[in-house]
Amino acid sequence: RKEVEQDPGPFNVPEGATVAFNCTYSNSASQSFFWYRQDCRKEPKLLMSVYSSGNEDGRFTAQLNRASQYISLLIRDSKLSDSATYLCVVNPSRQAAGNKLTFGGGTRVLVKP
Amino acid sequence: EPEVTQTPSHQVTQMGQEVILRCVPISNHLYFYWYRQILGQKVEFLVSFYNNEISEKSEIFDDQFSVERPDGSNFTLKIRSTKLEDSAMYFCASSGTEVDGYTFGSGTRLTVV
Repeated sequence: RKEVEQDPGPFNVPEGATVAFNCTYSNSASQSFFWYRQDCRKEPKLLMSVYSSGNEDGRFTAQLNRASQYISLLIRDSKLSDSATYLCVVNPSRQAAGNKLTFGGGTRVLVKP
Repeated sequence: EPEVTQTPSHQVTQMGQEVILRCVPISNHLYFYWYRQILGQKVEFLVSFYNNEISEKSEIFDDQFSVERPDGSNFTLKIRSTKLEDSAMYFCASSGTEVDGYTFGSGTRLTVV
């Protein structure tokens, strides 16, 4: 099983619609979780951290389900500018310093007019 | 907004040559990282660096790779004898604490010919 697994998509989304997708992770000891956004040939940019209680940032909502080992991202009222690859990122280690992050392969979202 | 700066943005080198990729992390960050992304693939961890030493490295980070923080600002990745399969986007990142999301630089596209 891959450490962090994502549906590669693409998810074709009409502008204004809602889209949601999940990511599963294999290491039950994973400590922290993030969603990053990556535009074509650009660096990953932190979209939001994912907390156990779930969290919302504007049109974006992230959820964590530790029992089933998945995290989700929901985008409401999709904008054309939301078109990107969304990377699920997991910190798999209990080690405090210098933690590496493990990336999923990304879910591509295309928002169309 | 503070940013991580990488130079050069694109480097073309002949197989067998040495390359040095440069990064200036965010000034008050303590943890530094190198990741790479082969075209069309996921972002992969190479190495983390803290307190002037490597704290973790991946299997990819073999003897041909080395990192250095020669002064208080620069963080470099050296590839001693480049191979064709080293062609990738190399991202430097830094973080303030171990649980922060990282800030990535815009990357260096390395092309080995």
